[in-house]
Amino acid sequence: GAVVSQHPSWVICKSGTSVKIECRSLDFQATTMFWYRQFPKQSLMLMATSNEGSKATYEQGVEKDKFLINHASLTLSTLTVTSAHPEDSSFYICSARDLADEQYFGPGTRLTVT
Amino acid sequence: QQPVQSPQAVILREGEDAVINCSSSKALYSVHWYRQKHGEAPVFLMILLKGGEQKGHEKISASFNEKKQQSSLYLTASQLSYSGTYFCGTDSGGYQKVTFGTGTKLQVIP
Repeated sequence: GAVVSQHPSWVICKSGTSVKIECRSLDFQATTMFWYRQFPKQSLMLMATSNEGSKATYEQGVEKDKFLINHASLTLSTLTVTSAHPEDSSFYICSARDLADEQYFGPGTRLTVT
Repeated sequence: QQPVQSPQAVILREGEDAVINCSSSKALYSVHWYRQKHGEAPVFLMILLKGGEQKGHEKISASFNEKKQQSSLYLTASQLSYSGTYFCGTDSGGYQKVTFGTGTKLQVIP
């Protein structure tokens, strides 16, 4: 099956700094990628839809200036958490949609802000 | 709004069957089912498109009732590997923007 990778898989950063998370589709092209956030024992919450070559579409309540998304190519989308705070600590997961409209998830990035 | 799943949690003995339900307040274009193991990302199980179809994948199958805006996941002859949290995901617009359900934690014991 299709493979989606994320980097890094685990990151700790200090409050006030920015963190960039990469999401790559390794063996297929993805015009659309999705970014989710999952808090412990909760469901995944969609943050934004990332479209190659255009601006991301953010869900209600998600701050565009805080969570910067760049979908620079058909295989790469990045999420940058700017001026991170402890409440941003979470499991961030991306997914990519292939031509058959199936979604494949990355392994996730666990962010801890101290 | 987030789809509601029931039950919230269930424990099965190996070989037993289970049904997980997913109910949405919105009209649905498709329903997806995923399984997530602790500390891992969700794994796609299947997608059902509107039309009331039923799909099967080995001993795991699902149905989708478009009129009732509901879907059910059927696990038969459960195996230890079935343990995890099951999420339904609903797409109301046809653009694969999936809203995840509340989740059902399933544990299969020997």
